[in-house]
Amino acid sequence: QVQLVESGGGLVKPGGSLRLSCAASGFTFSDYYMGWVRQAPGKGLEWLSYISSGGSVIYYGDSVKGRFTISRDNAKNSLYLQMYSLRADDTAVYYCARPRALDCSGNRCNQYYFDYWGQGTLVTVSS
Amino acid sequence: SYELTQPPSVSVSPGQTATITCSGDALPRQYAYWYQQKPGQAPVLVIYKNTERPSGIPERFSGSSSGTTVTLTISGVQAEDEAGYYCQSVDSSAILFGGGTKLTVL
Repeated sequence: QVQLVESGGGLVKPGGSLRLSCAASGFTFSDYYMGWVRQAPGKGLEWLSYISSGGSVIYYGDSVKGRFTISRDNAKNSLYLQMYSLRADDTAVYYCARPRALDCSGNRCNQYYFDYWGQGTLVTVSS
Repeated sequence: SYELTQPPSVSVSPGQTATITCSGDALPRQYAYWYQQKPGQAPVLVIYKNTERPSGIPERFSGSSSGTTVTLTISGVQAEDEAGYYCQSVDSSAILFGGGTKLTVL
């Protein structure tokens, strides 16, 4: 069965950096888009980024553009999120999730939704 | 990008029908998706492409669409349905979530 397991969360000081990892199993990782979604304590879901199966298509949400970098290693069935210049409002549970891409023409798809999610890893930004 | 608007809370008695709405200007031309999230757990997809139900999701969950509003309907609500519900759509390759609706089963 599909499993997504995040790691790398923890306590980091404002302005610091952190790298999250997501280990995937139970499906052919290199065939699928992958993404990150976060949820601040007591708040709703916020999409952060996704990356295409081969890594050529990457999109970021406005709140993390320029500060976060998504990447993947298909040989290791792993997804990453490198986070820089962390702020207190980046405190959240970070979920690795698998987006299904629909209605695609070339590298552009018009529909995405998440069919599998990891259990999340908590990132706390505090001095 | 546009926003998806949901009511913050909905309350219903067991056995009754719960309706949760999600409004957004692009919904007439973009599909909506719905997730259920229970406390301390990851979200679970319950409806995709406005009306489709993934395998394993009970038949009491259904979705509909009309104009700029999509609706998640839970018929014969059970105590286990108490959870947060989020709609999701897409705008110019960006993925959007609604603010979420807390469903309380009285």
